[in-house]
Amino acid sequence: DADVTQTPRNRITKTGKRIMLECSQTKGHDRMYWYRQDPGLGLRLIYYSFDVKDINKGEISDGYSVSRQAQAKFSLSLESAIPNQTALYFCATSDLGGLSYNEQFFGPGTRLTVL
Amino acid sequence: KQEVTQIPAALSVPEGENLVLNCSFTDSAIYNLQWFRQDPGKGLTSLLLIQSSQREQTSGRLNASLDKSSGRSTLYIAASQPGDSATYLCAGSTSNDYKLSFGAGTTVTVRA
Repeated sequence: DADVTQTPRNRITKTGKRIMLECSQTKGHDRMYWYRQDPGLGLRLIYYSFDVKDINKGEISDGYSVSRQAQAKFSLSLESAIPNQTALYFCATSDLGGLSYNEQFFGPGTRLTVL
Repeated sequence: KQEVTQIPAALSVPEGENLVLNCSFTDSAIYNLQWFRQDPGKGLTSLLLIQSSQREQTSGRLNASLDKSSGRSTLYIAASQPGDSATYLCAGSTSNDYKLSFGAGTTVTVRA
């Protein structure tokens, strides 16, 4: 089984709809991240969480919210989706301790299209 | 914030040729630098991670170097194969916040 899973893998929705993307991990890592990827722009950080009670905004958090339900689960919500939120969304995890040096591991991604 | 640049954006080589991929970063107080591979429409696979105290890391045909003084990292892939065709991303973080900043990637095509 994959260490970092994302659901759904593909989603098409309409402008104004509320959408939730979910991420689960079995790596036992404390840190979790949400990124979006747009062609030619690389990956940009939306939100990150260093433990269950710690949530932080990334560089492009406007229009998004997150929930860390447990160490293993981190959800990203679009309260009212708009077309420029069409992108590939990735969840990632990491562990700063020991010899991990905060190496990040990524899920397979969710392709979101907002019409 | 770490700014990361990858040039060129795309590269095409014949099979068997060695690949050299470049990555530049702005903050010499780098904590780690990570190289990823991404196949079209897929997730990112971590290839190598170099800590700030290291100069290089090796895994099979892959070798990555880190030069903090010049703000550069190089990923070297020996004897390229068509299966190496993918986009390669580098990402660096600083010890201030440990957040990764990504380059836009280099898309590699290895011609059979």
